[in-house]
Amino acid sequence: IAGITQAPTSQILAAGRRMTLRCTQDMRHNAMYWYRQDLGLGLRLIHYSNTAGTTGKGEVPDGYSVSRANTDDFPLTLASAVPSQTSVYFCASSDSLEAEQFFGPGTRLTVL
Amino acid sequence: GQNIDQPTEMTATEGAIVQINCTYQTSGFNGLFWYQQHAGEAPTFLSYNVLDGLEEKGRFSSFLSRSKGYSYLLLKELQMKDSASYLCAAMDSNYQLIWGAGTKLIIKP
Repeated sequence: IAGITQAPTSQILAAGRRMTLRCTQDMRHNAMYWYRQDLGLGLRLIHYSNTAGTTGKGEVPDGYSVSRANTDDFPLTLASAVPSQTSVYFCASSDSLEAEQFFGPGTRLTVL
Repeated sequence: GQNIDQPTEMTATEGAIVQINCTYQTSGFNGLFWYQQHAGEAPTFLSYNVLDGLEEKGRFSSFLSRSKGYSYLLLKELQMKDSASYLCAAMDSNYQLIWGAGTKLIIKP
């Protein structure tokens, strides 16, 4: 593994289903982030984690949850997917809060 | 509220110079970032400014004026591979990035 990986690459999901997007980094970065990117809008922060064991809410946290059991992994869970959660989801990490963020390749999620 | 403004789309010619402007309003300020994003790909870091002035990195330069809440990204000697979206993001007092919607740059031969 080099950098940040995300899985799956894309997914079509029925509304009401539970879904977990996976994110793993091998750079030993302290901070990790989940964003969604929608056409015509800037990246919007869903949740973040400053360090393993801690998480925080971003701009658009409703309907999403995260956990940070260790440094490398930061999964994002949609408990009951809705069509408005159709988006491209990017995971990112940074060595510290003020440092540049490195992005994973993204997960394209469609909720029908 | 917090806000980032940048043009939606710009067109330039191969070999020329283009300047992409960005204005920002944030609660506190801890720096201004520029990222490049090719279609269907992840954003990649280009530059970071926290002090006023110009930072040069090869063909790309970035400028910041904190008093005006203004930054620009300057791309010289444009190449076809520079066709991409350029994202401006300001870091607020909580060290969270506030992102603009991006400027789609179209390079014509």
